[in-house]
Amino acid sequence: DTAVSQTPKYLVTQMGNDKSIKCEQNLGHDTMYWYKQDSKKFLKIMFSYNNKELIINETVPNRFSPKSPDKAHLNLHINSLELGDSAVYFCASSPSGGGANEQFFGPGTRLTVL
Amino acid sequence: AQSVTQPDIHITVSEGASLELRCNYSYGATPYLFWYVQSPGQGLQLLLKYFSGDTLVQGIKGFEAEFKRSQSSFNLRKPSVHWSDAAEYFCAVGSPGFQKLVFGTGTRLLVSP
Repeated sequence: DTAVSQTPKYLVTQMGNDKSIKCEQNLGHDTMYWYKQDSKKFLKIMFSYNNKELIINETVPNRFSPKSPDKAHLNLHINSLELGDSAVYFCASSPSGGGANEQFFGPGTRLTVL
Repeated sequence: AQSVTQPDIHITVSEGASLELRCNYSYGATPYLFWYVQSPGQGLQLLLKYFSGDTLVQGIKGFEAEFKRSQSSFNLRKPSVHWSDAAEYFCAVGSPGFQKLVFGTGTRLLVSP
C-alpha cells in the first residue's frame, strides 16, 4: 500500500483557473506538510498541519489554501493560478511535528500553468 | 536560525568509483541531520539520519554519513557508485524544538559509464 499518495500526478491548466491537489497518508502520522519544488529543485515548505491544526504557514500567497478534514488528509486548493505557480508540489507526513522526525514524501504533483 | 549548505550543485562520478557529497549545517545546538534521495520523477526517500550516538551512520542502498561537529558537516559517502544512484540528493537539518526540517539546495549526481 502506498504510504503517502497524491492526486493528480500531473495537472495542466490555464492561468486564472482554480485547482486542488489531494493528499492522503495511511501511516497514522499526526503531521502533514505541503512543499513546493521549483525548476531548480529547491524545496520550500509551504504549510504544516498537526492533527488538523495549522502550525506552519510560510510566506505563501493567500491564493493557496490548505484544508485538513482529518489527520490523514491534507488538500491544497489554489485560486487564480499564475504562471509562477508552475512547480512540483509534494505532500509529506511525519509521526509528529517539528524537525525531529523523518518525513515521508508523496510522489509529487507536477502543476503546469499555461 | 538553522541553515544547510550543499556546496556542489552537481557531481559526476564514474560507475564503480567512490562518492562523497558534502553538507554543512548551521545550528547552535545538536542538530538532527538527514539525507534524502530523489530519483527522477519521484518523491524524496530517506537514506539515513543522525540524532545522537555513533557519528558514523549507515543507511539504505549502501550509503553512510559521518557527523563531524567540529566541521559542522554531515557528508554522505558510498564506496562504489552504481548507475541507479544517479539522482538528486538533499541534506536536511532539524531539531526537536523546531517546527520543520530545513533542506539544502540539493546535489545532482550523474554517473558515467
